Amino acid sequence: DGGITQSPKYLFRKEGQNVTLSCEQNLNHDAMYWYRQDPGQGLRLIYYSQIVNDFQKGDIAEGYSVSREKKESFPLTVTSAQKNPTAFYLCASSIGLADSSYNEQFFGPGTRLTVL
Amino acid sequence: AQSVTQPDIHITVSEGASLELRCNYSYGATPYLFWYVQSPGQGLQLLLKYFSGDTLVQGIKGFEAEFKRSQSSFNLRKPSVHWSDAAEYFCAVALYGNKLVFGAGTILRVKS
Repeated sequence: DGGITQSPKYLFRKEGQNVTLSCEQNLNHDAMYWYRQDPGQGLRLIYYSQIVNDFQKGDIAEGYSVSREKKESFPLTVTSAQKNPTAFYLCASSIGLADSSYNEQFFGPGTRLTVL
Repeated sequence: AQSVTQPDIHITVSEGASLELRCNYSYGATPYLFWYVQSPGQGLQLLLKYFSGDTLVQGIKGFEAEFKRSQSSFNLRKPSVHWSDAAEYFCAVALYGNKLVFGAGTILRVKS
C-alpha cells in the first residue's frame, strides 16, 4: 500500500527538550511538507521541500528544523526555541511543486505533540 | 495578503437535513480551491477541488461545492447529512508553487 506514515502518533516531551517527528512516504513524491494544526486556526505551513537536500521555510518556521537526506523521508525537529510546541503536526507530499497549476497534496495521519 | 475565511466555527444539523458550509477567499486571481475533511485525530482527506470550468463540482461522499467568482466564495453542500459526516471541514486555496492556505475549519456535529 502506498501512503504516508507518521510516527509516533502521540509524543510527549519536557520543556527544553528537542524532539523529532518522523514522516515517511512510499509514493515516490518529490515534494514534502510539514504543517502545524492548532484548534481554530486551520493548518499552517512550517517547512517544505521540493527535492532531496533542499528545503524552504514556510509561514511559521521559527523554532523548527528539517532535513531531506532521502526522497522518502522528511523529519521535523521541534527545538527548545519553539515557544508553544503543543500541537497536531501533519506531514504531506505531492508529485512536485507546480509552477502554473497544482499537484495534489496527500496527508499523513499526524502526530500529536504535548509539552509537559 | 491571501486569506481563507470560514465564518462558522461550529455547525449542528440533524441527520437527514441539508448542509451548507461557507468559505470565502481573498485572492487577486481565481485560485485553485479545495475542501478537505478531517476526522478527530486523523489526517486530511480531499473531498473535492475546483480548478476551472463548471462552477459546480462534485466530490466524494455525496458532497458538492459551487464556485461563485462574484462573491469570492466556494461553499460546500450536501443534500442529506449522515451521522458519519460529523468531522471538521477545511476550505483551502492553492497559491503559486503548490502552497496551500487553509481556513480555520468548521466543526460539523450531526444530531440524531
